[in-house]
Amino acid sequence: QSALTQPASVSGSPGQSITISCTGTSSDVGGYKYVSWYQQHPGKAPKLMIHDVSNRPSGVSNRFTGSKSGNTASLTISGLQAEDEADYYCSSYTSSSTLLVFGGGTKLTVL
Amino acid sequence: EEQLLESGGGLVQPGGSLRLSCAASGFTFTNYAMSWVRQAPGKGLEWVSAISGSGGSTYYADSVKGRFTVSRDNSKNTLYLQMNSLRADDTAIYYCAKDRAVVVVAASGFDSWGQGTLVTVSS
Repeated sequence: QSALTQPASVSGSPGQSITISCTGTSSDVGGYKYVSWYQQHPGKAPKLMIHDVSNRPSGVSNRFTGSKSGNTASLTISGLQAEDEADYYCSSYTSSSTLLVFGGGTKLTVL
Repeated sequence: EEQLLESGGGLVQPGGSLRLSCAASGFTFTNYAMSWVRQAPGKGLEWVSAISGSGGSTYYADSVKGRFTVSRDNSKNTLYLQMNSLRADDTAIYYCAKDRAVVVVAASGFDSWGQGTLVTVSS
């Protein structure tokens, strides 16, 4: 069982917006500004989409937005495109001995 | 262009050992902490271990503590993961990943990843 909880799947039509949640505790998501989001296409390495809760690395589309409220972080993708279909993972720094925890991943399907 | 290239994966029997390597290029290797992240077949990502830029601090997931050892040779721009007492549930693709920023180790995201190397533990 993953330390952070994500929905197993979400779906949306092209042009729509979707939000993926990532729920942890006050020892990880709620306690630090260090939440990241990754996109992973089949057979490929993960790609960093959001770091430090809401910051986009250079080159990442502004259709990707990160936020956090309490112990839950969220990734919103607006203007869905076919190329957004992928698995998405959140991660958070944690005060436990583990240092970093990931969510179980969410499969995004673009209908 | 930043590049990470893992090697050393393969088939090993339960209880055996394996050493993974990750050759880095395109950035000042000694400036950045590095991590190993694994992904079991059809499963999600799991952070395994991290090491500071100098190599003086190391960190491990509870699932590998006492069995795996992370190290780095900054003169060779290479990261290593020595894996001992391997178990079937260690079977996974192992990625090396570079910290995005020089802040708290492994905290601010991994902005470069290797292509991964597959480790299969089976008799």
